[in-house]
Amino acid sequence: GNSVTQMEGPVTLSEEAFLTINCTYTATGYPSLFWYVQYPGEGLQLLLKATKADDKGSNKGFEATYRKETTSFHLEKGSVQVSDSAVYFCALSGSGGSYIPTFGRGTSLIVHP
Amino acid sequence: NAGVTQTPKFQVLKTGQSMTLQCAQDMNHEYMSWYRQDPGMGLRLIHYSVGAGITDQGEVPNGYNVSRSTTEDFPLRLLSAAPSQTSVYFCASRQRDNQPQHFGDGTRLSIL
Repeated sequence: GNSVTQMEGPVTLSEEAFLTINCTYTATGYPSLFWYVQYPGEGLQLLLKATKADDKGSNKGFEATYRKETTSFHLEKGSVQVSDSAVYFCALSGSGGSYIPTFGRGTSLIVHP
Repeated sequence: NAGVTQTPKFQVLKTGQSMTLQCAQDMNHEYMSWYRQDPGMGLRLIHYSVGAGITDQGEVPNGYNVSRSTTEDFPLRLLSAAPSQTSVYFCASRQRDNQPQHFGDGTRLSIL
């Protein structure tokens, strides 16, 4: 079946540091890949997406590239802010006829001033 | 544009009580899902629907029922509440299988 593996957190950084959150996946076919962000007390929001190999999704300074050869979709940001503190989820859907999206466990990011 | 609306936002129940968590979306999305989120467990799928009149079980369906009589609404029923069902519940919708999901703000449920 499908699976998504994210690095465990929490990830703790100082403001303006470089961020990488690793995400690798296992899936049949050609799934779409997503990063969602969850701020405290809120639901998940789509951060960015990529629908085919080599696509780069980007939003609010975050980027992730769909790497089919390494089955990865790592999230990066060049300079994090305190307001980026949240939980980040990697996910996939549209794979092998399954109607069920697959989520990673989530990675908590804490950014200190 | 309201998106996905969940009610209530908070609820406290006693063991054995029943209740319905409401979910409505105004985006004409075909796919809808219910998740529960517990510390250290990520998101777990309870039930999902791929269209009006069609529902199926997810990873943790026991103790919950759903129905989908309209495209807009997807209520989740707790039949006889148990303390193990204390959690945060999220409803989500999407237009097609490979599209991103839109989430509600959640219902925080405590079972005493």
